[in-house]
Amino acid sequence: AQSVTQPDIHITVSEGASLELRCNYSYGATPYLFWYVQSPGQGLQLLLKYFSGDTLVQGIKGFEAEFKRSQSSFNLRKPSVHWSDAAEYFCAVVAGGYQKVTFGIGTKLQVIP
Amino acid sequence: DTGVSQNPRHKITKRGQNVTFRCDPISEHNRLYWYRQTLGQGPEFLTYFQNEAQLEKSRLLSDRFSAERPKGSFSTLEIQRTEQGDSAMYLCASSFKGVGQPQHFGDGTRLSIL
Repeated sequence: AQSVTQPDIHITVSEGASLELRCNYSYGATPYLFWYVQSPGQGLQLLLKYFSGDTLVQGIKGFEAEFKRSQSSFNLRKPSVHWSDAAEYFCAVVAGGYQKVTFGIGTKLQVIP
Repeated sequence: DTGVSQNPRHKITKRGQNVTFRCDPISEHNRLYWYRQTLGQGPEFLTYFQNEAQLEKSRLLSDRFSAERPKGSFSTLEIQRTEQGDSAMYLCASSFKGVGQPQHFGDGTRLSIL
């Protein structure tokens, strides 16, 4: 069965600093990988997705993620964080042939001035 | 594209009552999903539809839960005889058919059981 691990429950960064949110997945073959962001009281918004091809994918709001098969990781990065990026971030995986999306527990990002 | 719409946004009810939530997906999408999200957790899959057919149900979907999508458009999720543990955010998402198609989420219905 597929699974997703987000080892950092809460991260605090200063505005303007770089950001990396970690995500590790467990699945035998190449999965479909996603990052979503959720603001308080809101649904989830898709930031970016990886299916195949170039392992560095660009998303919205200046985010990017890199797929590393050898490390089973799909870490999310942003070079300079803005106060509006404060939210909860979820990594998700879909195994090929299935529709069920498995989400990680989420990482709550706090941005300080 | 008007997005996925969920109603109501908030529902407060007494334990033992029945509740029903509605989801209107993006009109071009033929797949519709329901998730439950509790505090401090990621969304957990409940069920999904392709058009009007319910194709998969999670073990989380006990016999008190029922979901329908009668005409392949909007969907309803009903919880009968609500329990304290049903308190959660219920999220609906929709997507195009096809493996790995990204799902677009509504803002959810927050259910509070008194």
